[in-house]
Amino acid sequence: EVQVVESGGGLIQPGGSLRLSCAASGFTFSSYEMNWVRQAPGKGLEWISYISGSGRRVSYVDSVKGRFTVSRDNAKNSLYLQMSSLRVEDTAVYYCARVLAVADSLLFDPWGQGTLVTVSS
Amino acid sequence: DIQMTQSPSSLSTSVGDRVTITCRASQSVSKSLNWYQQKPGQAPRLLIFSASYLQSGVPSRFSGSGSGTEFTLTIGSLQPEDSATYYCQQSYSTPIFTFGQGTKLEIK
Repeated sequence: EVQVVESGGGLIQPGGSLRLSCAASGFTFSSYEMNWVRQAPGKGLEWISYISGSGRRVSYVDSVKGRFTVSRDNAKNSLYLQMSSLRVEDTAVYYCARVLAVADSLLFDPWGQGTLVTVSS
Repeated sequence: DIQMTQSPSSLSTSVGDRVTITCRASQSVSKSLNWYQQKPGQAPRLLIFSASYLQSGVPSRFSGSGSGTEFTLTIGSLQPEDSATYYCQQSYSTPIFTFGQGTKLEIK
């Protein structure tokens, strides 16, 4: 079964750091681009980060640039999101999602179940 | 960056009704537009990709259309299980992927 499972969320104080992980299984991880998407409580989906299959190409939404770093370990079938200088507004459920190329289109499938990050003093 | 705007933000309708949700892009995204459904406490689920292709396993009452800057998601005959929030997503300006703000659909 193709799946991704996030972990590492929790309660953290403003200004702190946290690393999220996403474990992939059921597919050749190194062949796929991956993304992080977050959802603040009661709000919509926000794409925040992308990484290519090799890890050499990354991109971020402006609100996390310079604070978050995406990486991957293809030998461990794992994706990571290192978050630093965390703010209250970073409180959200964080999802990882695989990029699938179908019929000249790129889409996110599958998604993990998400991991909750709460930034609060 | 490309901005995605959905309308309406919410709607309340009845079982059996036909519903249309619109997604507009701030610039052309060709047909690189996907639709997702999200129910409370669950991860998003892909419904439609490339504007009009139905994902495997998705009921045929769901359909998508459009190109360029204007897209629609139509649910042909609403069922109780269709109560959810629906999001559009552009995948044209990769590696930046933008979502619409969502449309919350309530079944009366």
